[in-house]
Amino acid sequence: DIQMTQSPPSLSASVGDRVTITCQASQDISDSLNWYQQKPGKPPKVLIYDASSLEIGVTLKFRGSGSGTHFTLTINSLQPEDVATYYCQQYDSLPYTFGQGTRLEI
Amino acid sequence: QVQLQESGPGLVKPSETLSLTCSVSGAPISDYLWTWIRQTPGERPEWIGHISHSGSTNYNPFLESRVTMSLDSSRYQFSLKLRSVTAADTAVYYCARGRGQIVFDYWGPGILLTVSS
Repeated sequence: DIQMTQSPPSLSASVGDRVTITCQASQDISDSLNWYQQKPGKPPKVLIYDASSLEIGVTLKFRGSGSGTHFTLTINSLQPEDVATYYCQQYDSLPYTFGQGTRLEI
Repeated sequence: QVQLQESGPGLVKPSETLSLTCSVSGAPISDYLWTWIRQTPGERPEWIGHISHSGSTNYNPFLESRVTMSLDSSRYQFSLKLRSVTAADTAVYYCARGRGQIVFDYWGPGILLTVSS
């Protein structure tokens, strides 16, 4: 299985800040990576697909980049509603796997 | 508006078979991979497997020996059976739609399954 490792595990920032979360794949996955946001008691919600494509309806404050084994999710102009856990997920090969998550606090 | 909704028992005894159903509305069954994902509180989501509109399946090797998925296109439902459950199968189970290459773009609200005698 492809292992996905996120850093940092948790992150505290202030309103208006820009933050970056990284995701490292255990092997080259090209751009086969998605980012999700999960709030407590809710299912994950897709933010970015194919490493850098913004999902329809998702605000432009979220930006994904990277390819191969190293990926980043950048969140601009942090707001209280961005408090959540963020997951990366690879679909290069089965079984699809998720990172362990980054908990974002404000 | 695409909606998915899981249904099934919330409690299953050890060694029994878990059966869950996902009802889909607002989307055709074709062209997507209908997926089950589970998540233990505080842990990362775990992909269980998916089924296509043609009935073709792929399962996580970790669970493959115990999993069966099926699809009833006429009723817009797909199902998960997980045999010989143990406490380690206690989790929130989500059904989701897999689109494109694959991204999970619509999810059900999730159903908490507890395995306990």
